[in-house]
Amino acid sequence: DAKTTQPTSMDCAEGRAANLPCNHSTISGNEYVYWYRQIHSQGPQYIIHGLKNNETNEMASLIITEDRKSSTLILPHATLRDTAVYYCIVSRGTASKLTFGTGTRLQVTL
Amino acid sequence: DTEVTQTPKHLVMGMTNKKSLKCEQHMGHRAMYWYKQKAKKPPELMFVYSYEKLSINESVPSRFSPECPNSSLLNLHLHALQPEDSALYLCASSPGPSNTGELFFGEGSRLTVL
Repeated sequence: DAKTTQPTSMDCAEGRAANLPCNHSTISGNEYVYWYRQIHSQGPQYIIHGLKNNETNEMASLIITEDRKSSTLILPHATLRDTAVYYCIVSRGTASKLTFGTGTRLQVTL
Repeated sequence: DTEVTQTPKHLVMGMTNKKSLKCEQHMGHRAMYWYKQKAKKPPELMFVYSYEKLSINESVPSRFSPECPNSSLLNLHLHALQPEDSALYLCASSPGPSNTGELFFGEGSRLTVL
């Protein structure tokens, strides 16, 4: 599975959009981009995933560049409850081999 | 029911003890997973069960022994652990091993080995 690069940490003001970038320059054509988050001391929570097209659900939007070498997770109106570690994972679509990287620690502040 | 339930939430054991962690799901999922997470590190895959059969063992020491008695239940038997095995143990499930969607995680069992 392709490796990902994420910033170690980011801050976001409550109510503003949080844009979390992820680089996956070695992604191959059949690999999906997954996003999970982990709030302190809880299990990881699935957010969204996509292959080529941009995706949106009730939690977030996923924007994948045309060359698929990078993506951005957007939380449209961040709240304090969104403070967590966000993991970008690239996988061939077999959930059995999700390999977590170090992730981005997002701190949402008042 | 969209939950993965793990028990116990906390466990303290000595190096000579035998204990077990339990994971249960009632979503009809046929793939179940154990992950280990050390403090301030990302989760690491340990085992994958597919249709109640062990399909992936990520070179985990034999002092960790997984068991899948039925499609809803996953156990992790612990014996002769070391203090460095102290970690959060996470269970997850998915509809099948080739699923392209999400993994459903439990809240974890926090293990301390004295």
